[in-house]
Amino acid sequence: GDSVTQMEGPVTLSEEAFLTINCTYTATGYPSLFWYVQYPGEGLQLLLKATKADDKGSNKGFEATYRKETTSFHLEKGSVQVSDSAVYFCALINQAGTALIFGKGTTLSVSS
Amino acid sequence: GAGVSQSPRYKVAKRGQDVALRCDPISGHVSLFWYQQALGQGPEFLTYFQNEAQLDKSGLPSDRFFAERPEGSVSTLKIQRTQQEDSAVYLCASSFLGSGSEGEKLFFGSGTQLSVL
Repeated sequence: GDSVTQMEGPVTLSEEAFLTINCTYTATGYPSLFWYVQYPGEGLQLLLKATKADDKGSNKGFEATYRKETTSFHLEKGSVQVSDSAVYFCALINQAGTALIFGKGTTLSVSS
Repeated sequence: GAGVSQSPRYKVAKRGQDVALRCDPISGHVSLFWYQQALGQGPEFLTYFQNEAQLDKSGLPSDRFFAERPEGSVSTLKIQRTQQEDSAVYLCASSFLGSGSEGEKLFFGSGTQLSVL
């Protein structure tokens, strides 16, 4: 079945460092791909999405490109801030279009 | 309120008890989803409603789990005869459009943390 694999955390970075969180997927066809973020004490929020191959999703300085050749959707940010500390989830939409399938999440901790 | 509201925020149950978890979606949102998030894991899909119709319940782990949305707004997730493995955060999400398909933005609640002792 469809699945998402994320790099294990936690990821610990200093402010202004470059961030990459790897995400690969297994799916039938080319589902839409998403990154969700969960800040401490808050609900999951959509960070960015891409709906077809080679699309680049971007928001708040974060980017991810839908790569069908490598079945990947890695999250990147050029300069992280302390406020980016959160748990990040990669996800895809299931074949039926009725549910998101999430990875296990990657905890990011940014220190000043 | 403006967001998805879930209650209670925390629930402690003794093994074998029945529990009911409530979700108030954003007003006017057609789609409603329930997810289960175990500690250290990503959310796992349980069930999906479009208005009052339960269109997908393939993720419900057993017949002890039951969800309803009788008037197409508030939803209740009921777990009968709770077991320790039911301990998790239960998340509710809603969206405006009539499906969970691509391009749609889901709004998640903060969840109900269920602990079964």
